[in-house]
Amino acid sequence: EVQLVESGGGLVQPGGSLRLSCAGSGFTFSGNAMSWVRQAPGKGLEWVSVISGSGDSTYYADSVKGRFTISRDNSKNTLYLQMNSLRAEDTAVYYCAREAPTFDYWGQGTLVTVSS
Amino acid sequence: AIRMTQSPSSFSASTGDRVTITCRASQGISSYLAWYQQKPGKAPNLLIYAASTLQSGVPSRFSGSGSGTDFTLTISSLQSEDFATYYCQQYYNYPRTFGQGTKVEI
Repeated sequence: EVQLVESGGGLVQPGGSLRLSCAGSGFTFSGNAMSWVRQAPGKGLEWVSVISGSGDSTYYADSVKGRFTISRDNSKNTLYLQMNSLRAEDTAVYYCAREAPTFDYWGQGTLVTVSS
Repeated sequence: AIRMTQSPSSFSASTGDRVTITCRASQGISSYLAWYQQKPGKAPNLLIYAASTLQSGVPSRFSGSGSGTDFTLTISSLQSEDFATYYCQQYYNYPRTFGQGTKVEI
């Protein structure tokens, strides 16, 4: 059974940093691109970033480019999202999702709140 | 970025109704379109990919059609568990983009 479990969310002040993790199991982790998708409270879905299975290719939404960094450790079956210079508008539930190439499996989400 | 526009944004329906949601892409995306269902407090669930292919385990009352710029999601007979928000998403290129969502309410 495919499982994706996010962690690392929490309350952070504007300008602060946070690192999210997503542990995958039940599939060949290194064989799949992985994405982060977020959802602000009461709003729709926004794709954030993707990383290839090998980790050598990444893309970012313009809204996070230069502030967020996606990475993965295939030896640990774990995906990461390093978020720097956080803003109030980054407040959202962050989901990791397997991209195959549609988002066929999702984690349960982790809430990031940016507030002073 | 490709803009995805869904209509309507929300509507009320009853159990047993036939429901159609439309999604329009700002440029042609061939059949690189997916539909997701999301219930409150839960992660989205993939329903349809390649515009019309039903994901494994999804009831056959769901169907999708379209190509190019215009797409539809149809629920042939609405069930109580189908009251949710539905999103279309293009995977023709990056950035991946979603429609704004369509909330189906009782």
